[in-house]
Amino acid sequence: DVKVTQSSRYLVKRTGEKVFLECVQDMDHENMFWYRQDPGLGLRLIYFSYDVKMKEKGDIPEGYSVSREKKERFSLILESASTNQTSMYLCASSLAGTGAYEQYFGPGTRLTVT
Amino acid sequence: GQQVMQIPQYQHVQEGEDFTTYCNSSTTLSNIQWYKQRPGGHPVFLIQLVKSGEVKKQKRLTFQFGEAKKNSSLHITATQTTDVGTYFCAGYSSGTYKYIFGTGTRLKVLA
Repeated sequence: DVKVTQSSRYLVKRTGEKVFLECVQDMDHENMFWYRQDPGLGLRLIYFSYDVKMKEKGDIPEGYSVSREKKERFSLILESASTNQTSMYLCASSLAGTGAYEQYFGPGTRLTVT
Repeated sequence: GQQVMQIPQYQHVQEGEDFTTYCNSSTTLSNIQWYKQRPGGHPVFLIQLVKSGEVKKQKRLTFQFGEAKKNSSLHITATQTTDVGTYFCAGYSSGTYKYIFGTGTRLKVLA
């Protein structure tokens, strides 16, 4: 069974703090993704990575950065958290290839910035 | 940029009634995936459609991919309380290597 784990289920941070969200997958997937989920907006892609040290911007990368130093781990960094980054953050992973593969999601981290 | 819209946003049905959610993309897709997210849970993959006009069934669920590969639908026959959740489509374009998720349809089933 594919397992994607995220470091925290709930997180409360203050405005201006640096925030790290960690994601680990155990199925040797090449692709990893970070999404944020907000009511009425669905899932929006922040960043994705198709290999170690490789990253691509998604649709809403502003205010975020990512790091992928090992294949199984993909970190999302909020350099200076703001209240509009309060959201549910979902990590996902998938195989890579010429077509699309199903994504496996982690349980999510609900981040509140006060 | 590419957008994927889903309608309706919410749907309440009586148990036993049918349900359909529609997904429309502003651009042609390489394929489309459907996911289900139970309340308090995370999205779980249901199915992927690749061919123009493709229809796939999973028990009471029927998935369709439009001829132009710009729209898709999910139909549930005779809903049950276990069908409660939010259904998302995700369009994939081979040119961008990205999935674009629809806004989701939240289904409530009244017993």
